[in-house]
Amino acid sequence: SQQGEEDPQALSIQEGENATMNCSYKTSINNLQWYRQNSGRGLVHLILIRSNEREKHSGRLRVTLDTSKKSSSLLITASRAADTASYFCATDAQSGYSTLTFGKGTMLLVSP
Amino acid sequence: DGGITQSPKYLFRKEGQNVTLSCEQNLNHDAMYWYRQDPGQGLRLIYYSQIVNDFQKGDIAEGYSVSREKKESFPLTVTSAQKNPTAFYLCASSKERQSFNQPQHFGDGTRLSIL
Repeated sequence: SQQGEEDPQALSIQEGENATMNCSYKTSINNLQWYRQNSGRGLVHLILIRSNEREKHSGRLRVTLDTSKKSSSLLITASRAADTASYFCATDAQSGYSTLTFGKGTMLLVSP
Repeated sequence: DGGITQSPKYLFRKEGQNVTLSCEQNLNHDAMYWYRQDPGQGLRLIYYSQIVNDFQKGDIAEGYSVSREKKESFPLTVTSAQKNPTAFYLCASSKERQSFNQPQHFGDGTRLSIL
């Protein structure tokens, strides 16, 4: 079953603009992760935020987590054409297993 | 450099044929995973293994089989029982078994098509 759902499904912006993607999930989690996938390639881990954290930064990435609303957002500031990719959120389950459940992803297109 | 190697990059299957996708990692990770990715569906977990000689079914294990005889290797066989095997298959690993807060490292995938 799909735990995380990203919104929007697709996003098109110009270079230099900010891009915001949202993820909603259904059950309680230990942590939430964001991944990036370039076309035809594997996923690359971007950032992990624990359930007791509200915000985390990594370079031009900012992730927020609101466990009361069961939602997270990924903000990419000052987007570049090289940021064009699909972005996925992934959640674990508090049941104790180390498997992740991925959402369907947001496809981001950054035009020069 | 450490990483995950999947081969082949492209694979074609004939009707009634079993095919095996290779996944090798040199990261010394305990846990390994196989995912299937269809357009617009995100990633779905097929099988995972947390330790050598042990593996568990994921959400869509029917028509697939795996083995974990060595820590570095986790091959996936797509059997003839899998009626819709056309997809992008991704292998991943994580450092510790049954541990939270573990990022997964991915290979570059194998694209399987039906002839």
